Amino acid sequence: AQSVAQPEDQVNVAEGNPLTVKCTYSVSGNPYLFWYVQYPNRGLQFLLKYITGDNLVKGSYGFEAEFNKSQTSFHLKKPSALVSDSALYFCAVRDRNSGGYQKVTFGIGTKLQVIP
Amino acid sequence: DAGITQSPRYKITETGRQVTLMCHQTWSHSYMFWYRQDLGHGLRLIYYSAAADITDKGEVPDGYVVSRSKTENFPLTLESATRSQTSVYFCASRNSSYNEQFFGPGTRLTVL
Repeated sequence: AQSVAQPEDQVNVAEGNPLTVKCTYSVSGNPYLFWYVQYPNRGLQFLLKYITGDNLVKGSYGFEAEFNKSQTSFHLKKPSALVSDSALYFCAVRDRNSGGYQKVTFGIGTKLQVIP
Repeated sequence: DAGITQSPRYKITETGRQVTLMCHQTWSHSYMFWYRQDLGHGLRLIYYSAAADITDKGEVPDGYVVSRSKTENFPLTLESATRSQTSVYFCASRNSSYNEQFFGPGTRLTVL
């Protein structure tokens, strides 16, 4: 069975400082990995994904994530946080080696609070 | 406008009533999904559909029914609503050629 862990319920960071939101995963095969962001009273928006190739993935709004196979991690990062980055962030995984529908498993989310 | 829409955005109903949540997408995506979002549980898959007339259960299907007669629509019906079905419901779609899902704005359902 595949799973995703987001070990921090909330991350607080000062505006202008770098931010990291952690994610670790477990799949039996090779993973597709995703980050989504959810603003209040909105649906999830896709930020970035790792499919194959370069372990450092760049996405929307200046976010990036690094795939680390040995540590089974896919941490989300941004060099300089903005107050507008405050939102709920979800990590998700799919097992690319599973056939058919390829279920996506989401983490429970991490609330990012950027303090002015 | 292109995209994925859900209606209603907010719904209050009573225990035992039937409720239908609508989802419509304009991309002709093959896959469509229904999730519920609850505090402490994240997103849990209720049902999904790989194409018109093809649906299957997700993690938490009990008490829900879906249909998909047209590619663009994927309604979710609560046959006899219970308080435990109070939640925020999200519809999503994905093209088989792409990997990420696109989410609707959600329906906040309260069952009294």
